[in-house]
Parts: sequence; structure tokens; C-alpha cells
Amino acid sequence: AQSVTQPDIHITVSEGASLELRCNYSYGATPYLFWYVQSPGQGLQLLLKYFSGDTLVQGIKGFEAEFKRSQSSFNLRKPSVHWSDAAEYFCAVGDNAGNMLTFGGGTRLMVKP
Amino acid sequence: DTGVSQNPRHKITKRGQNVTFRCDPISEHNRLYWYRQTLGQGPEFLTYFQNEAQLEKSRLLSDRFSAERPKGSFSTLEIQRTEQGDSAMYLCASSRGQGAPYNEQFFGPGTRLTVL
Repeated sequence: AQSVTQPDIHITVSEGASLELRCNYSYGATPYLFWYVQSPGQGLQLLLKYFSGDTLVQGIKGFEAEFKRSQSSFNLRKPSVHWSDAAEYFCAVGDNAGNMLTFGGGTRLMVKP
Repeated sequence: DTGVSQNPRHKITKRGQNVTFRCDPISEHNRLYWYRQTLGQGPEFLTYFQNEAQLEKSRLLSDRFSAERPKGSFSTLEIQRTEQGDSAMYLCASSRGQGAPYNEQFFGPGTRLTVL
């Protein structure tokens, strides 16, 4: 069965600082990996996705993520955080049939001025 | 281009009552998914439809839960005899059908259920 672990429940960074959110997955085959962001009162918004190919993927809002098969990781990064990035971030893995997503528990990001 | 919509946005009910939620997917999407998200957790898959056919159900979907998607358009999720443990955000998502390599799921804003 597939699973996703996000080790950090809360992270606080200063505005302008760099950010890395960790994600580890467990899946038997080549994974489909996603990062979503959820702001209060908003639906989940897709930041980026990895299917195959280049292991460094670029997303919206200046985010990027790197797939590392040897570490079963798909960490999300941003070089300079903005106050508007404060939200909850979810990593997810999709099954091969495209039928369901398995989400991690989420990381709540707070941004200090 | 309208996104996925869900109604109502909030529902407060008493234990033992029945509730029904509605999801309207993006119009050209033939796959529709339901997820449940409890406080402080990530969403958990409940079920999904390909057109009007319900193709997979999670073991989280007890007998008190039923989902339908008549005519392959909107979907409803009904919970009978609600329990306090049903309190959660119920999320709906939609995607295109089969297509390589993977079809992105677009999420609605959710329906927050509170069972008193």
C-alpha cells in the first residue's frame, strides 16, 4: 500500500528566507508525486507534479521540488518565502491507475515578518 | 472556466440526522472523487466515479455513507445516522478520464460538517 510521510508538522521561517518541506513516500512502482497547498477557506491547489523525466520540477508561485528515488523523497523548496506563502502544504502520491491520491499529514507553514 | 463547486460550504447537524452534500465537477471532467479531511490531517480517499459508475470505495466508507452520480454529472454524498466522528471536511475533486500520463485532480472548497 502506498503511503506518504511529512515529518514536519509545523515550520516557521522569516520572510525572504529559503524554505524546504520534506516528503517521504512509499510506493512499489514509479510514483506519481504531487504537492498541494491549502489556504484557510480555500480548496487544495496543485503546486507541482512529477511523473517522469527530469527529477527537478518547477511549479507555480516560485516553488520547485526534487524527486530522489534512492531516498524515496520529494522535497519542496522555495528560495525566498513571501508572507502570502503561509498555508498548509500537502505531499501526495498517486496510484498508477490514476484513481486515488494518498496524502501526507501536511506541514503548516508560518512566515514571520 | 468554473472550477469544482460544493454545497453547502458548512453544515451543522445533530447526531443521528441524515445529511447530503453536493458536488458539481468541472463540466468536461468525467472522473469525480470524494475525500474526507479531519482536523490536522491530510485528505483521505473515500470513493470515485468514472461517469456514473462508482468504481472504487475505500474501507473508510461505511454502510452509512452512500454516494451517487446520476447521469455522470453532479454527485451527492449522503451520510445517514450521523455520528460525532463524521465531523470533517468533505472534499470533492474532478479530473479528465483516461489519458497519459496522469490526470490532475482539481479540488473544490469542501463542505465542513459538524455533528453535535
